Amino acid sequence: EIVLTQSPGTLSLSPGERATLSCRASQSVSSAYLAWYQQKPGQAPRLLIYGASSRATGIPDRFSGSGSGTDFTLTISRLEPEDFAVYHCQQYGNSPYTFGQGTKLEIK
Amino acid sequence: QVQLVQSGAEVKKSGASVKVSCKASGYTFTGYYVHWVRQAPGQGLEWMGWVNPNSGGTNYAQRFQGRVTLTRDTSISTAYMELTRLTSDDTAMYYCARSMGFLVDYWGQGTLVTVSS
Repeated sequence: EIVLTQSPGTLSLSPGERATLSCRASQSVSSAYLAWYQQKPGQAPRLLIYGASSRATGIPDRFSGSGSGTDFTLTISRLEPEDFAVYHCQQYGNSPYTFGQGTKLEIK
Repeated sequence: QVQLVQSGAEVKKSGASVKVSCKASGYTFTGYYVHWVRQAPGQGLEWMGWVNPNSGGTNYAQRFQGRVTLTRDTSISTAYMELTRLTSDDTAMYYCARSMGFLVDYWGQGTLVTVSS
């Protein structure tokens, strides 16, 4: 089973700042089958990034993903108030399709 | 538009079973796998398994093997998740989700299952 470790656990930033979230895998993720989801309180997750770096339909270009192998990054270039949420990474290349524990992005 | 609408909240006693439904609309039900993911209060997401609505084939996470059964009824575009021998550790929000290949792209609204002793 591939274990995903997200860091930091909580990130405190202000609107307009840049956010960098990390997702590290215990073994190489097949074909960069790595996704990022955003989850707001009381809501289901929403797909942001797939294939490590492709934005899902309707996702603003301030969200970008990068990485390969075992190290992946989600970057939000300029934080908007609606971006403060929990972010989850998931690998979908090998069953079981594991998730990281999440990073909470909070307003400083 | 793609929609996955789940059944309502459930309260169960320890040792009981629960069955949650997930009705799909806005797309061809048999063309996409349906996954089930749960989230305990204040915790991360945990993948449970998928069902192929076309064939009925399934794949379960090992930790749920023997306790979870994923099924579907193509006549009403609905997938089901049944979890048996419930304990308090199974208290969680349960989500169904559609996948393209194995990439989950749309999620249901979630069903809260509370297990009491």
